[in-house]
Amino acid sequence: DQQVKQNSPSLSVQEGRISILNCDYTNSMFDYFLWYKKYPAEGPTFLISISSIKDKNEDGRFTVFLNKSAKHLSLHIVPSQPGDSAVYFCAASEDTNAGKSTFGDGTTLTVKP
Amino acid sequence: DTGVSQNPRHKITKRGQNVTFRCDPISEHNRLYWYRQTLGQGPEFLTYFQNEAQLEKSRLLSDRFSAERPKGSFSTLEIQRTEQGDSAMYLCASSPPVGREGSYEQYFGPGTRLTVT
Repeated sequence: DQQVKQNSPSLSVQEGRISILNCDYTNSMFDYFLWYKKYPAEGPTFLISISSIKDKNEDGRFTVFLNKSAKHLSLHIVPSQPGDSAVYFCAASEDTNAGKSTFGDGTTLTVKP
Repeated sequence: DTGVSQNPRHKITKRGQNVTFRCDPISEHNRLYWYRQTLGQGPEFLTYFQNEAQLEKSRLLSDRFSAERPKGSFSTLEIQRTEQGDSAMYLCASSPPVGREGSYEQYFGPGTRLTVT
């Protein structure tokens, strides 16, 4: 049973518009959530995170929203840039296993100039 | 710091052969993770070390897989009697000690792509 799900395998947006990537989880023990970005031939790179005690975290163009009751989080990128084109992975951790993460299958974002 | 390094980057082997991969984590990171990733999927957790102690192994890790981190620095992942289903990208990641800033984040290496023919 997949505990972290990214239901959209791909997303295409126009440069300058908002990109919204979604993630759902089933394990109520998860209390720390992360987004990673991956370019071809590279390992995933940490992008932004959020603790379960918050519902929003912002870092520049990137904002992550967490809805604990719905077990749903989303990553907003605004404005989107062509360099944002990559695979985005949602990941979740339990506090007792700080660091070990369960990943979704990723969403490929394409930002068109 | 040069980040997490993995060697080799690519390995092609014949079914039944043994292979060994190496991971060098960021020097001040005491926690080290191995993941496996197949096409179209996210990284799947395999095993986790804190210093030299292997604290957790996934049930995905069959008896043919073994990992070591003898001195709490670099780690090796060995697959014995490889099967075609072992073909995947093997990713290594490291993290700072628990309680340090960024301790939930993982810093990934570029991975070792294994092809079993």
